[in-house]
Amino acid sequence: EAGVVQSPRYKIIEKKQPVAFWCNPISGHNTLYWYRQNLGQGPELLIRYENEEAVDDSQLPKDRFSAERLKGVDSTLKIQPAELGDSAVYLCASSGREAFFGQGTRLTVV
Amino acid sequence: QKEVEQDPGPLSVPEGAIVSLNCTYSNSAFQYFMWYRQYSRKGPELLMYTYSSGNKEDGRFTAQVDKSSKYISLFIRDSQPSDSATYLCAMTPFSGYNKLIFGAGTRLAVHP
Repeated sequence: EAGVVQSPRYKIIEKKQPVAFWCNPISGHNTLYWYRQNLGQGPELLIRYENEEAVDDSQLPKDRFSAERLKGVDSTLKIQPAELGDSAVYLCASSGREAFFGQGTRLTVV
Repeated sequence: QKEVEQDPGPLSVPEGAIVSLNCTYSNSAFQYFMWYRQYSRKGPELLMYTYSSGNKEDGRFTAQVDKSSKYISLFIRDSQPSDSATYLCAMTPFSGYNKLIFGAGTRLAVHP
């Protein structure tokens, strides 16, 4: 069974440009999470979905970040415009009885 | 002060050693405690999941929770080079995986 799939694995963009990350969760997992992991730190939750509904987005910087989960399956996280401080690894996770993380997208903003 | 404190290491041990990894926390509402292992350029993978105080053992891994001291530990027996990774503690007041608060992670290197 495939795990949580994220793309792209790496992304380098200039500041003020937009960027999007894609996540395909494990089949049957209704709960999907986006986390941000800064260098040398643990992951921090950005948003949690239950099916299509964003049930916890309190940590999402809504002025520049947006997310969607169409049809309660795949999800996209977008940043527009990106800032230097957004450089981090963006992790997607999904859970049923257990939570599984994807490999993450490493974003570098220059 | 962070809700969860974890010594970042690095911790270097010889193969076969017993490793002790620890986290302290300040929020007495935390009830569920987890340990994740994260290899370089990979996502975290769940090692242990425990509820409230006590011990839980799984193979070479033992997790301990002392809620009275707000202190959790992960012990690795007979450590192997393949155990070299970053170990993250995580905790939440809720069952499941909601509102997880992670520690910063401890880098462990097991050398042959």
